[in-house]
Amino acid sequence: AQSVSQHNHHVILSEAASLELGCNYSYGGTVNLFWYVQYPGQHLQLLLKYFSGDPLVKGIKGFEAEFIKSKFSFNLRKPSVQWSDTAEYFCAVNADNAGNMLTFGGGTRLMVKP
Amino acid sequence: GAGVSQSPRYKVAKRGQDVALRCDPISGHVSLFWYQQALGQGPEFLTYFQNEAQLDKSGLPSDRFFAERPEGSVSTLKIQRTQQEDSAVYLCASRTSGSRAGELFFGEGSRLTVL
Repeated sequence: AQSVSQHNHHVILSEAASLELGCNYSYGGTVNLFWYVQYPGQHLQLLLKYFSGDPLVKGIKGFEAEFIKSKFSFNLRKPSVQWSDTAEYFCAVNADNAGNMLTFGGGTRLMVKP
Repeated sequence: GAGVSQSPRYKVAKRGQDVALRCDPISGHVSLFWYQQALGQGPEFLTYFQNEAQLDKSGLPSDRFFAERPEGSVSTLKIQRTQQEDSAVYLCASRTSGSRAGELFFGEGSRLTVL
């Protein structure tokens, strides 16, 4: 079975600081990769996705993520965070042997201080 | 509606009671998913429907959990004889037939507390 690890459970940054959230997965086959975000009081929503092609993908609000197959990683980055980025971020994987199942990491809670 | 709607938003049950949680997906979305999110953890897959057919129920933790989607639209997750370990947020998600696996629209969840 696939597993997804997010190493940072809580991150606190000041505005304008750079962000990198780690995500590693355990499956050796073909994967589709996702980052979801949950803002306070809101539902989970898709931030960005990778299916194939350019391993550097760009999402909404200036976020990007890089797929490094050799490291089984899909880290999320943003050059300069804003207070409004305060949220919980979840990495998720859909493996080619898992049908429609999406496996989530445990989440990283980001707090951006104004 | 514009998004995935879930009800009730909050439910408190005494241990042993049965509960039913409702999900109304985005209109036209053929695929519907239920996830369970325990406190401080990521969502975990429970079950998946395509229209009215339940194609995967491998994530249901016990036979006390039952889900249905009889007309291929609204879905109900039923938990019988609730236990304290059932306390969690139950998330419903849906997607269109044209989207890729993993591209889900989530509801706000139903928070179940079992006393």
